[in-house]
Amino acid sequence: AQKITQTQPGMFVQEKEAVTLDCTYDTSDPSYGLFWYKQPSSGEMIFLIYQGSYDQQNATEGRYSLNFQKARKSANLVISASQLGDSAMYFCAMREATGTASKLTFGTGTRLQVTL
Amino acid sequence: DSGVTQTPKHLITATGQRVTLRCSPRSGDLSVYWYQQSLDQGLQFLIQYYNGEERAKGNILERFSAQQFPDLHSELNLSSLELGDSALYFCASSVEGSMWTDTQYFGPGTRLTVL
Repeated sequence: AQKITQTQPGMFVQEKEAVTLDCTYDTSDPSYGLFWYKQPSSGEMIFLIYQGSYDQQNATEGRYSLNFQKARKSANLVISASQLGDSAMYFCAMREATGTASKLTFGTGTRLQVTL
Repeated sequence: DSGVTQTPKHLITATGQRVTLRCSPRSGDLSVYWYQQSLDQGLQFLIQYYNGEERAKGNILERFSAQQFPDLHSELNLSSLELGDSALYFCASSVEGSMWTDTQYFGPGTRLTVL
C-alpha cells in the first residue's frame, strides 16, 4: 500500500490566488514527520515546511501552510498568493520513527502551474 | 541554496562503466542520505550514513556502493552501469539522522545519463 498519496498529478492556479495540494499518508506509527518539498524545473529539491505528528498547531512558513488533519491522515499544503515562481513539482514526504527510520518516503508529486 | 553540494552536476557515460558521485553535507550535519529519482520509480531512498557509518539501506543495488569519509563528505559509486541507471541522484543531509523530526536538506543533484 502507498504510504504517501498525492492524487493530483497536475494543478493550475491563477497568480495571487491560493491553492491547496493534497497529501494523505498511511502509518501505524504514532511518531512521524511530514514534509513538503518543491522541485522546480531546474531539478533541485527545496524544503518548504515540516509538521510533526505531535504538533498541536498547523505549521506555517511564510506563504506556505500545512493543513494537518491527523484523524483523516492528511497533510495538505496551502500556498497563498501564488506567484509565477511557484510553478514546480511539489512532493509530500513522511518520515516514521520505526523501521527504516532514516528514510523519507515520497509521494508521486503534484505539478503546479501558476498562470497570469 | 541548501548548503549541500554535489558534483558533478551532469554525467554522461556508457553502459558497463563505473562512476563516482560526490556530496558534501551542510556544515554541522552528520548524516548523509542518497536518493535516486527516475521517471518510473519516483524518488527512492538508497542509503544513509551517519558520522562515517552506514545506518540504513533502502533499494540500493549490489552494483552500487557508498561511503562517508572522516570529513563527512560522501561518495556514491555506481558500477557496471545499465541504461536503467539513468536518473537524477540526490544527496541530502541532516543534523542527526534518527529522529522523525530531523529535516533533510537536499543538494542540487547529479543527473546521470547512461548511453
